[in-house]
Amino acid sequence: QQPVQSPQAVILREGEDAVINCSSSKALYSVHWYRQKHGEAPVFLMILLKGGEQKGHEKISASFNEKKQQSSLYLTASQLSYSGTYFCGTEANDYKLSFGAGTTVTVRA
Amino acid sequence: DARVTQTPRHKVTEMGQEVTMRCQPILGHNTVFWYRQTMMQGLELLAYFRNRAPLDDSGMPKDRFSAEMPDATLATLKIQPSEPRDSAVYFCASGSPGDGEQFFGPGTRLTVL
Repeated sequence: QQPVQSPQAVILREGEDAVINCSSSKALYSVHWYRQKHGEAPVFLMILLKGGEQKGHEKISASFNEKKQQSSLYLTASQLSYSGTYFCGTEANDYKLSFGAGTTVTVRA
Repeated sequence: DARVTQTPRHKVTEMGQEVTMRCQPILGHNTVFWYRQTMMQGLELLAYFRNRAPLDDSGMPKDRFSAEMPDATLATLKIQPSEPRDSAVYFCASGSPGDGEQFFGPGTRLTVL
């Protein structure tokens, strides 16, 4: 079952904030977030695990509400390099991800 | 800098032809995934392997697609015969469950005419 992402697209000016939401109808073990730039492969941003553990590589934060099967990705003080399509991938079991349709983020100077 | 590699990067073929895509996962990763990305369907999991054994290929059209891992350094995805609706970008990714992150290869852009 594919998770639902919102919004579909967002346009920001440098320095502005945005929130991307991801919700699933299934009980989740973890939520992954990836960013994909045009013509490139998805790149890992963060994983949020059931129980509260988080692992990430960038200055982008996220939350995971296990009871509601929802996750949010927070883009704070956005930079031009944040432009791209953000995907959430939800894991119900065994490292198998279902990806949302994506949220296209455009950051303008 | 360890990376997943995929060949070919681009493939244009005619309907009915066989297509083989190859992937070299990152050394030490025990799980390999095949994904397909299209504008209409987004990023879909086709199949995945753990320690070279297929775990799930329910996302793959069985009549024309096959995926194998002949050894730990090579995963293949084959389409025979190919159809125009198979046109997409095919990504291979690898990882290990304890690490969480899946590392994606650069993708094979397939066009079936």
